[in-house]
Amino acid sequence: EVQLVESGGGLVQPGGSLRLSCEGSGFNSINFALSWVRQAPGKGLEWVSGISGGGVSTYYADSVKGRFTISRDNSKNTLYLQMNSLRAEDTAIYYCAKNQEITSRSYFYYGMDVWGQGTTVTVSS
Amino acid sequence: QSALSQPASVSGSPGQSITISCTGTSSDVGAYNYVSWYQQHPGKAPKLIIHEVSNRPSGVPDRFSGSKSGNTASLTISGLQAEDEADYYCSSYTSSNAVLFGGGTNLAVL
Repeated sequence: EVQLVESGGGLVQPGGSLRLSCEGSGFNSINFALSWVRQAPGKGLEWVSGISGGGVSTYYADSVKGRFTISRDNSKNTLYLQMNSLRAEDTAIYYCAKNQEITSRSYFYYGMDVWGQGTTVTVSS
Repeated sequence: QSALSQPASVSGSPGQSITISCTGTSSDVGAYNYVSWYQQHPGKAPKLIIHEVSNRPSGVPDRFSGSKSGNTASLTISGLQAEDEADYYCSSYTSSNAVLFGGGTNLAVL
């Protein structure tokens, strides 16, 4: 079974940092792009960041560019999101998601067909 | 970049059909066929139900269908069932090399 499990969420003060992890199982992660999507309390989904299968190419929403860094360790089947200079508006459930593979290719803008259960980040003093 | 525009809510009776619109611009929905739709039940992670405008992943009932015309994509659910009651989100690739979600639509099955 293909599965993603996030961890690393918690309470952090404004201006602080946090690193989220997302461990995958049941698939060879190097073949797939991966993404982070967040959902603020009572709000809709917001795409945060995406990364290519090999980890060379990374992409960010304007709202997090320069503050968040996405990375991956395919030897550990793990995706990361380093979040710095956190703000109250970053408070959300953070989901990691696996992008589809279509005709042997996987890009961050393909559909997200497997999602983790989410990890909650709260930025507050 | 502003979210794609979706109606806040739609409703229908069991057995009926409903359509949810997702309006973007010529820089996102209108420019690319990388439009996806997700279903999210309360307290759960989203589930992919449509990708590349009109393709259904394996296991998604054929009651769910997608289409696009110009800058607007649409999700149609026919033969509404009680378990279809959920939030629905569209997303699109954009010319800024990003992904944009819609604001979400709450579907009530009355």
